[in-house]
Amino acid sequence: AQSVTQPDIHITVSEGASLELRCNYSYGATPYLFWYVQSPGQGLQLLLKYFSGDTLVQGIKGFEAEFKRSQSSFNLRKPSVHWSDAAEYFCAAGIGTNAGKSTFGDGTTLTVKP
Amino acid sequence: GAVVSQHPSWVICKSGTSVKIECRSLDFQATTMFWYRQFPKQSLMLMATSNEGSKATYEQGVEKDKFLINHASLTLSTLTVTSAHPEDSSFYICSAAGSGNNEQFFGPGTRLTVL
Repeated sequence: AQSVTQPDIHITVSEGASLELRCNYSYGATPYLFWYVQSPGQGLQLLLKYFSGDTLVQGIKGFEAEFKRSQSSFNLRKPSVHWSDAAEYFCAAGIGTNAGKSTFGDGTTLTVKP
Repeated sequence: GAVVSQHPSWVICKSGTSVKIECRSLDFQATTMFWYRQFPKQSLMLMATSNEGSKATYEQGVEKDKFLINHASLTLSTLTVTSAHPEDSSFYICSAAGSGNNEQFFGPGTRLTVL
């Protein structure tokens, strides 16, 4: 079965520290991959996406993610976290032309310490 | 571009009443719209997929007679929660995808509280 796993339920980092959020997928073929951010009571905002090509993807707000086929991973990174980055982060995956129907991970809650 | 709106953003209703939530794609034609439900501190659970002019496809375990979905145009889909009960209280999020359908754009969500 297709699945997306975010192993870390909750991560706390200090402001200015680097961040890495993990995401692993299990699909028969390489899916399209997405990272979204959700602030409390809000919808989802797309941070970045991977469809093909360069495995290091740049997104908004200084985020980047690296697709590693051998590890079935698509980890999200940011070199220096800001307090405003505190939110819920979701990794998602979809297949081909129906990638709009994506499978979501359970999410990782990011807390930023001053 | 690719803006999706939802209305209302929050609604409180009495048990037994029906509530309609609208999802609109403001600047593109949404051939497919998705409806999700999200419980507090949980991930999004896909409820149904709707294609313009067709009946919605519901995920397993979602009651189609309780959650009525209409996708009458390329810019509007509605979700009606019929005979709402307190257990239907949740955050409902819609998303829309264009003809390529390789990316979805999310609405801001609707908070439903059933008393």
